[in-house]
Amino acid sequence: EDQVTQSPEALRLQEGESSSLNCSYTVSGLRGLFWYRQDPGKGPEFLFTLYSAGEEKEKERLKATLTKKESFLHITAPKPEDSATYLCAVRPRDTGFQKLVFGTGTRLLVSP
Amino acid sequence: DAGVTQSPTHLIKTRGQQVTLRCSPKSGHDTVSWYQQALGQGPQFIFQYYEEEERQRGNFPDRFSGHQFPNYSSELNVNALLLGDSALYLCASSYWDRVSEQYFGPGTRLTVT
Repeated sequence: EDQVTQSPEALRLQEGESSSLNCSYTVSGLRGLFWYRQDPGKGPEFLFTLYSAGEEKEKERLKATLTKKESFLHITAPKPEDSATYLCAVRPRDTGFQKLVFGTGTRLLVSP
Repeated sequence: DAGVTQSPTHLIKTRGQQVTLRCSPKSGHDTVSWYQQALGQGPQFIFQYYEEEERQRGNFPDRFSGHQFPNYSSELNVNALLLGDSALYLCASSYWDRVSEQYFGPGTRLTVT
């Protein structure tokens, strides 16, 4: 069964304290790994898509990397506005183009 | 360029009632997927629509049904509501024939009492 596990469940950082979020996955075949940011009561906001091991994407203070078994979201010198839940999702190869399987997310709180 | 829109924002229903949620996809997108997100959980795939047909379905009962219109907008219907149906319902749009990212709407918060 396709499965996505995110860790830690929650993370509290001081402003400027860099860290990483982990997303490990088990799928029949990977047709894309996606990172989303979600603020309370709102829909997920797309951040990155990664397709193959070794690929990296960057956006402001965020950098996503991918290996054959997991992905990391690195947050460099975070600010309070980076506080949100970060969701990881995979698109398994044998489920067509559209179905995403999500993890439960990492709740990030950045204190000033 | 308008993103994905959903209506209503919030909804309160009683057990046993029926509800209809609406979604308009991002301009240019032809595929709509629906997800259910319980509090503290990740979104769970309900089904997707393309060319006015249900193309793929997750592990949800037949009480959940949908429709897609010629302008690509979509509705999600839930019959015989249960307390456990209380959740944030998310609509996501994308291109059918591309392995591309899905863009999500703001969601509809459904509370069943």
